[in-house]
Amino acid sequence: GQQLNQSPQSMFIQEGEDVSMNCTSSSIFNTWLWYKQDPGEGPVLLIALYKAGELTSNGRLTAQFGITRKDSFLNISASIPSDVGIYFCAGQLSNAGKSTFGDGTTLTVKP
Amino acid sequence: DAGVIQSPRHEVTEMGQEVTLRCKPISGHNSLFWYRQTMMRGLELLIYFNNNVPIDDSGMPEDRFSAKMPNASFSTLKIQPSEPRDSAVYFCASSFLGANEKLFFGSGTQLSVL
Repeated sequence: GQQLNQSPQSMFIQEGEDVSMNCTSSSIFNTWLWYKQDPGEGPVLLIALYKAGELTSNGRLTAQFGITRKDSFLNISASIPSDVGIYFCAGQLSNAGKSTFGDGTTLTVKP
Repeated sequence: DAGVIQSPRHEVTEMGQEVTLRCKPISGHNSLFWYRQTMMRGLELLIYFNNNVPIDDSGMPEDRFSAKMPNASFSTLKIQPSEPRDSAVYFCASSFLGANEKLFFGSGTQLSVL
């Protein structure tokens, strides 16, 4: 089946620093999504990408749909303490009806 | 909208007992998903429904697990009998099929089987 490799597994950064994480797949997807999970809560959608090469921003977050359709990237600029959490990528095939999730990147931001 | 509502938030039970987890999806959504999250295996899709019909249950671990969706506003995930290795956080998510499957997750049920 499809597998997503998400890296890094964890990050410890200083407040104000920029963050980059990525997700790669063994097969192509038609949609990439990025979610954030706060402690004790379910994942919440941050950004959705629908076209190869697409670059989309949501505030300090920017995500890109890789041109090969097998990868995606998420950048967070000027991190703040509330950015702490687990970030998941997810890939979908059209009409597949389900998402394949990466293992997550745990982000810790030191004030 | 209240979002996806799951109950209970926490469940502690003894091995061998029956456990029932409940989910109310967002009104108007026609797809419902049950996920399990553990440290070892991450987020695993157990089963999903479209228009109340189970579409893919290949992620259900074994026959001890069953899920139902009797109507568009309610679903249950049942484990009988429960085992310690079932301890995990179980999430329900809903979406509107055709909207590129943006998932809206509930807050999860933390299950501990002793």
